[in-house]
Amino acid sequence: KQEVTQIPAALSVPEGENLVLNCSFTDSAIYNLQWFRQDPGKGLTSLLLIQSSQREQTSGRLNASLDKSSGRSTLYIAASQPGDSATYLCAVGMNRAAGNKLTFGGGTRVLVKP
Amino acid sequence: NAGVTQTPKFRILKIGQSMTLQCTQDMNHNYMYWYRQDPGMGLKLIYYSVGAGITDKGEVPNGYNVSRSTTEDFPLRLELAAPSQTSVYFCASRWTTGQETQYFGPGTRLLVL
Repeated sequence: KQEVTQIPAALSVPEGENLVLNCSFTDSAIYNLQWFRQDPGKGLTSLLLIQSSQREQTSGRLNASLDKSSGRSTLYIAASQPGDSATYLCAVGMNRAAGNKLTFGGGTRVLVKP
Repeated sequence: NAGVTQTPKFRILKIGQSMTLQCTQDMNHNYMYWYRQDPGMGLKLIYYSVGAGITDKGEVPNGYNVSRSTTEDFPLRLELAAPSQTSVYFCASRWTTGQETQYFGPGTRLLVL
């Protein structure tokens, strides 16, 4: 059974510092990995999706890397801003044929202080 | 497009009552999913559907039922509500194989007392 872990559970940084968020998974036979952002009381917004054949994906200040062999993904957010404060969740998709069901980590709650 | 909409936003149920959580998407997506999120935790898959008339169980299906009679709607039914079903429920959808990004609704917060 796939297990996804995100450490630390919470992180506080001063504005302008780069953020590094970690995600680890136990079964390396993944189909894809997604990073989501969740604001308090809201739904999830997809940030980046990395296919199993890719090593990284970039969107603006966000960069996500994937190392399947070690079971790890890292989300980098450059030059953090107070608006980046949110919970970030990673989710692993295992089986394309079975609807690409996602297994989620517990999330990292980020606070960017002005 | 409204995207994925969920109703109600919040509901209090008594133990043993039943209710249906509504989910509608207007993006013509084939795949739809129901998740629950307990406080401070990640999301767990309850049920999913790969198209109208086709549903399957996720990780935590006990105590829930679903149906998918149309592409747009994917209601989640709770029978005999229990305190363990207190949670936030999210519906999500995506288009098809090769388009893996899931789009989430705003959630329904359910409290069972």
